[in-house]
Amino acid sequence: DGGITQSPKYLFRKEGQNVTLSCEQNLNHDAMYWYRQDPGQGLRLIYYSQIVNDFQKGDIAEGYSVSREKKESFPLTVTSAQKNPTAFYLCASSIRGLSGANVLTFGAGSRLTVL
Amino acid sequence: AQTVTQSQPEMSVQEAETVTLSCTYDTSESDYYLFWYKQPPSRQMILVIRQEAYKQQNATENRFSVNFQKAAKSFSLKISDSQLGDAAMYFCAHVYAGGTSYGKLTFGQGTILTVHP
Repeated sequence: DGGITQSPKYLFRKEGQNVTLSCEQNLNHDAMYWYRQDPGQGLRLIYYSQIVNDFQKGDIAEGYSVSREKKESFPLTVTSAQKNPTAFYLCASSIRGLSGANVLTFGAGSRLTVL
Repeated sequence: AQTVTQSQPEMSVQEAETVTLSCTYDTSESDYYLFWYKQPPSRQMILVIRQEAYKQQNATENRFSVNFQKAAKSFSLKISDSQLGDAAMYFCAHVYAGGTSYGKLTFGQGTILTVHP
């Protein structure tokens, strides 16, 4: 079945360490996104990529980095510069084109806890 | 900047009854999309319903329907014949329909819906 796979589901990190969250999709979608979810704040966009080898900052990109070397993969690195990284991270994708571009398919998420 | 507000942190409903979740948004654009997403305890976000701003007719999907009031910038979700499986957090979201904005949804804070048997 087509979908988005995020790993790991749970991750613990010590302060000062970088950590990378994986996101893989087999939907043949062009665009991919990373959202952060905190209690009481809904989802906020971190980074997005509309095409391979190109990505753009979202609303809260500071302390994060991404790459888009393959269409199906969009890993997110949470760096030590991110001051409050404990959160639930959601990866999403969409097809390109106006009619369906805004309908996001989400992965199951990754919960990052900084100890 | 776009904002989406869900003023009801929590709602509850009896099984088989109807409940309405509220959402208001603020935007300067005239062409946009609105969404309701459901996040059950598994935390997998699922699209419930979508509304295109230029369409006056309210969207419906089986037991789910919306009341879209463009002038008032209101977009409420009505769940009819509520089922236990409807229990989840519901998010309202908005996105400008312009060509470079796709996928950049602005989400509300969410409403936790409890369904009582």
